[in-house]
Amino acid sequence: DVKVTQSSRYLVKRTGEKVFLECVQDMDHENMFWYRQDPGLGLRLIYFSYDVKMKEKGDIPEGYSVSREKKERFSLILESASTNQTSMYLCASGVQKVQPQHFGDGTRLSIL
Amino acid sequence: AQSVTQLDSQVPVFEEAPVELRCNYSSSVSVYLFWYVQYPNQGLQLLLKYLSGSTLVESINGFEAEFNKSQTSFHLRKPSVHISDTAEYFCAVSGKTSYDKVIFGPGTSLSVIP
Repeated sequence: DVKVTQSSRYLVKRTGEKVFLECVQDMDHENMFWYRQDPGLGLRLIYFSYDVKMKEKGDIPEGYSVSREKKERFSLILESASTNQTSMYLCASGVQKVQPQHFGDGTRLSIL
Repeated sequence: AQSVTQLDSQVPVFEEAPVELRCNYSSSVSVYLFWYVQYPNQGLQLLLKYLSGSTLVESINGFEAEFNKSQTSFHLRKPSVHISDTAEYFCAVSGKTSYDKVIFGPGTSLSVIP
């Protein structure tokens, strides 16, 4: 069974902290994505990566960065967490560039 | 650029009744269309997609959606819902090039009442 695994289901951090969200996929997909999900807004793309060490900005990259050192792992980094980054974060992978197929279960991040 | 509208944020329906979840899109180019489902405390799963060919597409669990180009719609229907269909449903659209990102609608919360 294919799997996208996000390291934490729930995370609580303080403003100003550097936060790492980790995602691992076991499908050998070239493409990986980070979205944030907010009520009434659907999913918004933060960053995506189409190859190791390659990344492209999505629609809302401000305040975030990413790292893709290995094909199976895609990390989202909040450089200095702020309360407006409290949200559900979803990682995904896919065969087609820019089209997510398989999602992780999400990380609900609270910034206090 | 594309955009997606899901007019109903919440749809309550009794078990075994039919349901329609509405989706309209806006685009200046030809599109691919998707429906994703998110069960409670889970990530999204692709439910069905329209890429080309027949305008009526079906999922394995009884949902279907019809692409209507003239009305720019891709409504999702099921003739008889089950409790297990309770979930959030997202309509999504993308252009057909490899550079077109998938744009998600705001979602419709379907609640099936016993």
